[in-house]
Amino acid sequence: SQLAEENSWALSVHEGESVTVNCSYKTSITALQWYRQKSGKGPAQLILIRSNEREKRNGRLRATLDTSSQSSSLSITATRCEDTAVYFCATEPNSGGSNYKLTFGKGTLLTVTP
Amino acid sequence: DPKIIQKPKYLVAVTGSEKILICEQYLGHNAMYWYRQSAKKPLEFMFSYSYQKLMDNQTASSRFQPQSSKKNHLDLQITALKPDDSATYFCASSQPGLGGQDTQYFGPGTRLLVL
Repeated sequence: SQLAEENSWALSVHEGESVTVNCSYKTSITALQWYRQKSGKGPAQLILIRSNEREKRNGRLRATLDTSSQSSSLSITATRCEDTAVYFCATEPNSGGSNYKLTFGKGTLLTVTP
Repeated sequence: DPKIIQKPKYLVAVTGSEKILICEQYLGHNAMYWYRQSAKKPLEFMFSYSYQKLMDNQTASSRFQPQSSKKNHLDLQITALKPDDSATYFCASSQPGLGGQDTQYFGPGTRLLVL
């Protein structure tokens, strides 16, 4: 079973609208990261939120983390067509020592239409 | 300029053959990784290396062998290729810090098709 999983397979919004992608995970973590992957490209990190943080912002992006419910959300405001991509949450397990492995969810395909 | 180079971009192989996927990073990072992504499975961790030493191996098959000849190189040798190995293979790198929580930077991927 997936250790991290986005809650929606696909979302579609119109340009300018806001959207939220949700993620749930199953292990104790040191941090959770949100990545975006555009068609034909490798994933690119958007936000890293540590287990002792509740919210992190990066421009139009806002990530939240709730360690009690083991869930996270990524909100995008004022969406643009170029935000169209697959969005992944990825967790770093809290296994002690340095963490080298990221576990990715299946991803949520976000389509932003004009 | 691309900071992580993966070669080739596309690769077609026949079942049973052997291929090497090349990865070079110019970010000055000390940790490198391989991930695999296919239509059947999400992005899946395979290996991690730190200072040219294997840190974690989540690949069940010994047909997959990472090779690190230089600090900024981590190639992936795949032997006895099977159609199920068809996937996009991503190389990534990071700079390990205290307590982990590293941002991993991904290359553009090598798309492998095994016939």
